[in-house]
Amino acid sequence: DADVTQTPRNRITKTGKRIMLECSQTKGHDRMYWYRQDPGLGLRLIYYSFDVKDINKGEISDGYSVSRQAQAKFSLSLESAIPNQTALYFCATSDLLPGEDTDTQYFGPGTRLTVL
Amino acid sequence: LAKTTQPISMDSYEGQEVNITCSHNNIATNDYITWYQQFPSQGPRFIIQGYKTKVTNEVASLFIPADRKSSTLSLPRVSLSDTAVYYCLVGPSGYSTLTFGKGTMLLVSP
Repeated sequence: DADVTQTPRNRITKTGKRIMLECSQTKGHDRMYWYRQDPGLGLRLIYYSFDVKDINKGEISDGYSVSRQAQAKFSLSLESAIPNQTALYFCATSDLLPGEDTDTQYFGPGTRLTVL
Repeated sequence: LAKTTQPISMDSYEGQEVNITCSHNNIATNDYITWYQQFPSQGPRFIIQGYKTKVTNEVASLFIPADRKSSTLSLPRVSLSDTAVYYCLVGPSGYSTLTFGKGTMLLVSP
């Protein structure tokens, strides 16, 4: 979905390096999420944020940190990258609209990260 | 959150109807059932969502029996472009985080 962008799209880094993956959205949603996907596995939630002042750990937050700089921006950092963090990373947004009972998540195109 | 079980993979041919069933025995009263589709190297995309009985949109139908312990995603007359992974998710209404399992890999052949 072009309304959710991720940079970079591909990144190769070395063990021990600090890197940041960025996510921006123009959908005006309050909620944002970071997932990782490994080959043959589903998506696993790393962190999520329901508004600018809200940050929550997901299923696999160890080794990651996030920053919600604004409603539209949600960054994921790997403080000291390790090879088993090699994966496809997705950012998503959602919101609960008036009259709806649950929300729909809209995903970005993904960032392919390789840690050597 | 309710755990879901769905087949790892399914095969079909162009023009056939495909039904993918998801089991969610411990679904809660306020849980909704949502299906997403994911193409290789792309993020998942919402397909359909329902609470009970039948829901239909331009892409698929979702059948949910009265006990809500399972649900079936029905894709009418599939084409090659329907080859993707399909995820069944169950979660409460309102503010929620969804759990994506491994999904069902649907392969459509000519």
